[in-house]
This record gives sequence, C-alpha cells and structure tokens, in this order.
Amino acid sequence: KQEVTQIPAALSVPEGENLVLNCSFTDSAIYNLQWFRQDPGKGLTSLLLIQSSQREQTSGRLNASLDKSSGRSTLYIAASQPGDSATYLCAVKDNQGGKLIFGQGTELSVKP
Amino acid sequence: DADVTQTPRNRITKTGKRIMLECSQTKGHDRMYWYRQDPGLGLRLIYYSFDVKDINKGEISDGYSVSRQAQAKFSLSLESAIPNQTALYFCATSGRSNQPQHFGDGTRLSIL
Repeated sequence: KQEVTQIPAALSVPEGENLVLNCSFTDSAIYNLQWFRQDPGKGLTSLLLIQSSQREQTSGRLNASLDKSSGRSTLYIAASQPGDSATYLCAVKDNQGGKLIFGQGTELSVKP
Repeated sequence: DADVTQTPRNRITKTGKRIMLECSQTKGHDRMYWYRQDPGLGLRLIYYSFDVKDINKGEISDGYSVSRQAQAKFSLSLESAIPNQTALYFCATSGRSNQPQHFGDGTRLSIL
C-alpha cells in the first residue's frame, strides 16, 4: 500500500530565505506527483505536476524535483515571502486507477 | 465564478440525519472525486467517477454513497450521519490521467 510522508510537519522561516519541503513515498510505481498549496478555510490549489518520466518542474519561484527510484520529491521555494505561508501537500497518483494518495502536509510560516 | 463549486460551504446536523453534499464544475472534466480531510490524517479518497456511468469506491467509502447526475455534477450522500463523519469534504475534478486535479473550496460538516 502506497504511503506518502512529509517532513517536517511545520516550518517557520524569516522572509527572504530559500527553503525545501520534503515528500517521500514507499512505492516507486507512480504515474505522477502533484504539489498543492492549501490556505486556511480554502481548498487545494495545484502548484506543480511532475510526470513519472520527468525529473523536475518549475513555476516562478517554485521548483519541484522527483527521484522515483529513491521515492522522494522536494519542493524548493526561492526568496520566501509572507504570502507563501500556507500548508503544502504532496500527492502521488498510482499507475492503476488514477487515485491520488496524499501526504499530511507541511505547514509553512514565513515571518516578515 | 469558481470552476469547482461545492454546496453548502458549512453544515451542522444531528446524528442519524441524511445529508447530501453537492459539487458542480464548469471545467468540462470527465473525472470527479470526493475526499475528506481530517486533522492528522490528511486527505482520503471516498469515491470517484471517470464518467457519468462510472462510479468507483475509494479508500473510505463505507457510510457514503454518490451520484453522478451529469458530467458536471457529482453529489455525495451520508445516509445516516454519525459523529465520526465530522470533517472537511472536498470535491475535485481532472481531465486525463496526466493532468492535475482541481479542488473546490470544501464543505465543513459537523455532526452532533
């Protein structure tokens, strides 16, 4: 059974710092991996989607990498801003039915 | 207007009541999903549908049922609500398997 783990559960950094969020998964047979952002009281916003054949995806200050063989993905946020404060979730899609398996998220706080 | 709309946004009800949560989308996607989110447990898949005639159980379908009334509409029912179904419920949609899932803003359900 696929399990997705995100460490740390919470992270507090000063504004301007570069940071890395980690996601690990137990079964490397994935279809793709998706990073989301969740603001309090809101739904999930898709940030980046990495297909299983890709190594990384970039969008603005965000860069996500994927190492299937080791079961790991990282989300790199450059020059963090207070507006980046949110919970970040990663999810892997299995090869069979297209279901997403979520990690429990990392709650990020960026202090001015 | 939001691409994925959930109604109601908040609901408080009593044990044993029948409840329906509704989801509609304007994205033209074939695939629709229902998740619940609980503190410490992350998001878990309840049911999903790949087209109007397709319904599949997810990880935690017991106590729930769904109806796909049209391509754009997917409703979730709790036939006889119980307190441990208190959670935040999300609807999501996607196009093909290699495309990201898009989430509604959620329904906060409390069962007393």
